[in-house]
Amino acid sequence: QKEVEQDPGPLSVPEGAIVSLNCTYSNSAFQYFMWYRQYSRKGPELLMYTYSSGNKEDGRFTAQVDKSSKYISLFIRDSQPSDSATYLCAMTAGNTGKLIFGQGTTLQVKP
Amino acid sequence: DVKVTQSSRYLVKRTGEKVFLECVQDMDHENMFWYRQDPGLGLRLIYFSYDVKMKEKGDIPEGYSVSREKKERFSLILESASTNQTSMYLCASRPGHSPLHFGNGTRLTVT
Repeated sequence: QKEVEQDPGPLSVPEGAIVSLNCTYSNSAFQYFMWYRQYSRKGPELLMYTYSSGNKEDGRFTAQVDKSSKYISLFIRDSQPSDSATYLCAMTAGNTGKLIFGQGTTLQVKP
Repeated sequence: DVKVTQSSRYLVKRTGEKVFLECVQDMDHENMFWYRQDPGLGLRLIYFSYDVKMKEKGDIPEGYSVSREKKERFSLILESASTNQTSMYLCASRPGHSPLHFGNGTRLTVT
């Protein structure tokens, strides 16, 4: 079993939809959680960075962590075609520890 | 903004060649990393370095070596390139306590 599971998709939604991207994990020691966005032929760029449980909002993006269920989510409101990309979750036990990545979910937002 | 620069976007090399992938960061980060990214396998850590002249093996170091002579530069070396090393190679850096910042990647094809 992988430490971090992420459905690779692809996920296709119409413009304006609310998108929910999710990861599950098995290591209860994970405390730091990240979401990266990767456009085609580019490197991943950091979208959200959260510590422990709870929600964090940044514009149209909300990151949610539920440590009791070992489940993290990224919500995108009012999705745009420019949101079409691969979204990678990542997590680590300590802030300087090894980062474990999900496989990435490919999202397509259709105009 | 942090800038991680990988010297080549695309490389084509022949089997058996020695290949150098170069990465430079401009934010005085202590830690630097090399990953490879393959469809269905996600991001896999090859090597990382937490200081000049220091290196640690990641999950898949076989067939690779690294060099860090200066703090800002981290090189990945394929001693004798093979076709199974065809991949997207991503360099990343971070200071002691922070998420990773990635370069735009080098797509290497070994024929």
